[in-house]
Amino acid sequence: QQQVKQSPQSLIVQKGGISIINCAYENTAFDYFPWYQQFPGKGPALLIAIRPDVSEKKEGRFTISFNKSAKQFSLHIMDSQPGDSATYFCAALDNQGGKLIFGQGTELSVKP
Amino acid sequence: NAGVMQNPRHLVRRRGQEARLRCSPMKGHSHVYWYRQLPEEGLKFMVYLQKENIIDESGMPKERFSAEFPKEGPSILRIQQVVRGDSAAYFCASSPPGNTGGRGYTFGSGTRLTVV
Repeated sequence: QQQVKQSPQSLIVQKGGISIINCAYENTAFDYFPWYQQFPGKGPALLIAIRPDVSEKKEGRFTISFNKSAKQFSLHIMDSQPGDSATYFCAALDNQGGKLIFGQGTELSVKP
Repeated sequence: NAGVMQNPRHLVRRRGQEARLRCSPMKGHSHVYWYRQLPEEGLKFMVYLQKENIIDESGMPKERFSAEFPKEGPSILRIQQVVRGDSAAYFCASSPPGNTGGRGYTFGSGTRLTVV
């Protein structure tokens, strides 16, 4: 099954708080899990990515947690800032053909 | 090093007309992917091409849609006889040759198609 399910659909966080977005997948052939940030009118931009042999990856304020047995992964944004307000997409790479399967997206709003 | 270039940025077509969307991959990239994003939805894979070859078109609608990536020039996504439901943002991505495991996968800024 080639699906990636993402939640929540929208998220409101106060400045300085932690934003958490969750994703779940079913296909064990996925071997690369990126997160993309998209601003209105722009294309998706790679934020951070992880491979299934690692349980956590941190880059600055952004952390991916990966649970291979549960087929779940999440994005944590620490010290959230108004400039982080955007739509975030998780994705999974089909290692057979190179196509990305995207989650439905989470619209994050960080209030000052 | 320019990124993935898509043009036009915005395209308006009347129902029944043809839409042609262009994508020039990043320098050195030989794999091109097209995705469609409907309003308030995530990106959906349409087609994966290499030079002069369609590798995976499992996400392409069966009718009216076609894609090519010629030996010279940009990749083209062509939509014939457009309908209002084709209104969406169309994104192109490119990646380096070989199986990079996702490294270097880069998106363009998209073409926003409006069918009136």
